[in-house]
Amino acid sequence: GQSLEQPSEVTAVEGAIVQINCTYQTSGFYGLSWYQQHDGGAPTFLSYNALDGLEETGRFSSFLSRSDSYGYLLLQELQMKDSASYFCAVRDQAGTALIFGKGTTLSVSS
Amino acid sequence: DAMVIQNPRYQVTQFGKPVTLSCSQTLNHNVMYWYQQKSSQAPKLLFHYYDKDFNNEADTPDNFQSRRPNTSFCFLDIRSPGLGDAAMYLCATSRRGQGGEKLFFGSGTQLSVL
Repeated sequence: GQSLEQPSEVTAVEGAIVQINCTYQTSGFYGLSWYQQHDGGAPTFLSYNALDGLEETGRFSSFLSRSDSYGYLLLQELQMKDSASYFCAVRDQAGTALIFGKGTTLSVSS
Repeated sequence: DAMVIQNPRYQVTQFGKPVTLSCSQTLNHNVMYWYQQKSSQAPKLLFHYYDKDFNNEADTPDNFQSRRPNTSFCFLDIRSPGLGDAAMYLCATSRRGQGGEKLFFGSGTQLSVL
């Protein structure tokens, strides 16, 4: 089956850089996705890595190493509004649906 | 704007009383999903449809069923809700074959069971 591990909580201050790691075990791998979810809201898509390397989208970047079954989400120039839960996700064994990790709660303070 | 709409936003039902949650989409996506999310936990996949093909997760309780009468609508039926079924239910869509990792979620239905 599929399993994902990520830290449960991370804290940081405004303007800082934070990295949220995700390790995975999968039967079949199609890529690693990241989602953000604010308290009481729905998850929203942040990024997707199918190949090794770094993908950058504004203040957020995502990295993947398939040989290490590892990826991370990098958030730069943190803002208070970045306080949220962040989930890494992979496709299920059949490759048809997304399975989410347990999520990392990021708290940004001033 | 194209979107995924879930109704109602909040649903209260009684223990054992059947309840139906609805989801509609204007994105014309071929895949629709139902996730259950309990407080401070990850979204847990219940089922998904790829067009009309229904896929049930192995650990989804028999108490949960789903219908997709057409591309735009999908329903989640909970036949006999228990206290443990109180959760946020999230509907999502994606288009297979177009970077299908990107799911579009509705705002969710928060279900309370009394």
